[in-house]
Amino acid sequence: AQSVTQLDSQVPVFEEAPVELRCNYSSSVSVYLFWYVQYPNQGLQLLLKYLSGSTLVESINGFEAEFNKSQTSFHLRKPSVHISDTAEYFCAVSDPTTSGTYKYIFGTGTRLKVLA
Amino acid sequence: EAEVAQSPRYKITEKSQAVAFWCDPISGHATLYWYRQILGQGPELLVQFQDESVVDDSQLPKDRFSAERLKGVDSTLKIQPAELGDSAMYLCASSQDRVYGGELFFGEGSRLTVL
Repeated sequence: AQSVTQLDSQVPVFEEAPVELRCNYSSSVSVYLFWYVQYPNQGLQLLLKYLSGSTLVESINGFEAEFNKSQTSFHLRKPSVHISDTAEYFCAVSDPTTSGTYKYIFGTGTRLKVLA
Repeated sequence: EAEVAQSPRYKITEKSQAVAFWCDPISGHATLYWYRQILGQGPELLVQFQDESVVDDSQLPKDRFSAERLKGVDSTLKIQPAELGDSAMYLCASSQDRVYGGELFFGEGSRLTVL
């Protein structure tokens, strides 16, 4: 079964500094990878996804993630963070099931705290 | 913009009481998921529906939890009796899922506190 590891539970960073949030997954023949963001007392929102094609994917608010098959990683990066980026970030993988649907498995999350 | 609707947003109950959560997915989304998120952790799947059928309830504590999606549209998750350890956020999500790699769309969640 698939698993997702987010080693950093908390990442403090100063405003306008770069940040990297790490995500590793267990290997599989094919994999679809996602990053979701969760603001306090809200549901999760999709930030970006990798399905196929270019290994570098970008979001509309400046985040990017790179799919690295050899290292089974999908790290999230942003060159310059803002206070508004403070949130919890979840890495997820979707795994096809025998019933023809997809099962989504989430990591434990990384709390990004941007400091003024 | 279409959204996943959940209610109630907040629920406080005493242990041994019954509690129910409701979810209305985005119109046309065949797959519906209920997740439980304990504070500081990632979402854990409780049950997954494809239309009105359960396709995965392996992590649902069936002695106290039940879920249904009778007409393949909205869904109800029930806990009876509630225990202290059930305090968590209950998230509903939906997806087209028949689309290869389709994303999940989440509701705002229902936060349960059991006293």
